[in-house]
Amino acid sequence: DAGVTQSPTHLIKTRGQQVTLRCSPISGHKSVSWYQQVLGQGPQFIFQYYEKEERGRGNFPDRFSARQFPNYSSELNVNALLLGDSALYLCASSLRGGTSGNYEQYFGPGTRLTVT
Amino acid sequence: AQKVTQAQTEISVVEKEDVTLDCVYETRDTTYYLFWYKQPPSGELVFLIRRNSFDEQNEISGRYSWNFQKSTSSFNFTITASQVVDSAVYFCALSETLQTDSWGKLQFGAGTQVVVTP
Repeated sequence: DAGVTQSPTHLIKTRGQQVTLRCSPISGHKSVSWYQQVLGQGPQFIFQYYEKEERGRGNFPDRFSARQFPNYSSELNVNALLLGDSALYLCASSLRGGTSGNYEQYFGPGTRLTVT
Repeated sequence: AQKVTQAQTEISVVEKEDVTLDCVYETRDTTYYLFWYKQPPSGELVFLIRRNSFDEQNEISGRYSWNFQKSTSSFNFTITASQVVDSAVYFCALSETLQTDSWGKLQFGAGTQVVVTP
């Protein structure tokens, strides 16, 4: 079975622009979580979506938004990009949503975003 | 406050040596979950293990073993007879169950870079 897929692999944007990142979960998984990983640090939780609803949100500004589609794929949008948004954006899927300890999260390869 | 502390930034070993990665966590929950993930240079996080707070039994999986000690809030990871393919960044993570506004949140440590040389 295919794992979590993310697109694009790499992206270069200019400050002030907007970006959309995409994620397809493992078949049968209904929950998607997004993480930001700045170079040299551990991933930071941004959102969890389950059954097309936001179920969890980390400490990120409103410039970050996401949605989940009926096929459980997800998009992460970031508006008004800042240099500090340069990072690896990771998507993780799990069977269901809720407390992450109940359902293991499987990560995709990530999208490397560079903001210049 | 940092919930998960991985004090070792980098560990370098020669192949076949054992390496132990430390993880100390902080939580007020009585029910929580601890994880280890491996991140090779390709960038994808690979799930290694999940342990719930009620199961303090140590676990061994091949060359990997984990030592969970609730009394010291530690969940350490040992690679026995290391191999070059073990070179990666290893992350310890915590999931708390009482967080009502952030379901699905894994809280990661800063990671430990393991370098195994032939």
